[in-house]
Amino acid sequence: EVQLVESGGGLVKPGGSLRLSCAASGFTFSSYAMTWVRQAPGKGLEWISAISSTGSHMFYADSMKGRFTISRDNAKNSLFLQMNSLRVDDTAVYYCARDGGAMDVWGPGTTVTVSS
Amino acid sequence: QAVVTQEFSLTVSPGGTVTLTCGSTTGAVTSGHYPYWFQQKPGQVPRTLIYETSNRHTWTPARFSASLLGGKAALTLSGAQPEDEADYYCLLSYRGARVFGGGTKLTVL
Repeated sequence: EVQLVESGGGLVKPGGSLRLSCAASGFTFSSYAMTWVRQAPGKGLEWISAISSTGSHMFYADSMKGRFTISRDNAKNSLFLQMNSLRVDDTAVYYCARDGGAMDVWGPGTTVTVSS
Repeated sequence: QAVVTQEFSLTVSPGGTVTLTCGSTTGAVTSGHYPYWFQQKPGQVPRTLIYETSNRHTWTPARFSASLLGGKAALTLSGAQPEDEADYYCLLSYRGARVFGGGTKLTVL
């Protein structure tokens, strides 16, 4: 079964850091670009970042450049999102999605809460 | 960064037809923006309905179709069903970076 599962969310203080992970299974992870998307409580979807299948190209939303870093480990079928200098408005459910043109598989999401 | 615009809310009668649109503050939306459409129901993970302008997934009901219309991306629902009541988001690509629209709340009433 094709599956994505995010982990690493939790409660963090403003200014803190978190590293989210997305474990992929059931497909050839190294063949697909991957994407992170988030959704703040009661708000719409926000695109965060994408990374090419080999990890050689990364793209970011302007509002996250310099604070968030996307990466992947194809040997471990894993996608990551390093989040630094977290702010209260980064509180959201964070989703990873399989890209490759179709964005056809999404994980269930992991919740990040930034609060003092 | 570009802003992607969508109608805040729309209402359609059961069995009726409605068109949701997706515009860009940078100008006309083209196939080069690779428009996507997503459906999200309360408490659920978003589901991709349409990718790259007009391609349906295997799970996308045939009553959903998409195109470019008048400089915008458009999602048309023909023969609305009660289960189509949801939030709909479009996503546009700007040379690798992407931007979601604010979403359209579709009511079937």
